[in-house]
Amino acid sequence: QKEVEQNSGPLSVPEGAIASLNCTYSDRGSQSFFWYRQYSGKSPELIMSIYSNGDKEDGRFTAQLNKASQYVSLLIRDSQPSDSATYLCAVNGGGYNKLIFGAGTRLAVHP
Amino acid sequence: DVKVTQSSRYLVKRTGEKVFLECVQDMDHENMFWYRQDPGLGLRLIYFSYDVKMKEKGDIPEGYSVSREKKERFSLILESASTNQTSMYLCASGINRGNYGYTFGSGTRLTVV
Repeated sequence: QKEVEQNSGPLSVPEGAIASLNCTYSDRGSQSFFWYRQYSGKSPELIMSIYSNGDKEDGRFTAQLNKASQYVSLLIRDSQPSDSATYLCAVNGGGYNKLIFGAGTRLAVHP
Repeated sequence: DVKVTQSSRYLVKRTGEKVFLECVQDMDHENMFWYRQDPGLGLRLIYFSYDVKMKEKGDIPEGYSVSREKKERFSLILESASTNQTSMYLCASGINRGNYGYTFGSGTRLTVV
């Protein structure tokens, strides 16, 4: 069974701090990794994707991938209360480019 | 931008009713998916389809069926709704190759009474 593991949280950070969200996966053959943000009562929204080892930056968001350790993370710099949401990690791991989702980490950014 | 449209945002049905949830995408994606999401349980895959008339069971297919007669439309059918099918239902679409994620619809919150 291919798995994606995330700490459920809540992860509580003060406004302006760096939030660090982590994810591990079991399938060494996975090639694509995604972070989704889901506000309460809303559907998931794709915010970052990463395919190569190292860092990928997009505004305040940085995705980090380490395939040897089977580890992917999302850093949110200068966290804002509007970043408070559940963050889902997803990894491609099935036929037909299916994604496997983690259960999500709830982030709370307090003023 | 890809649009994935779910026909209803909120739905209330009675136990035993046959329920249809519709999903339409406008970007010619091969893959379409139906998930349910419940507090503490994350996203659980019900069914997915990789082509017209093609479908595969996901992790929790019991009590559900699907239909994909046209590439852009994927329907989820609850044959006889039960209270334990009260949930948020999410449709998603994606292409079946390369490094691309899914796009989700806005979801249907179904309550079975």
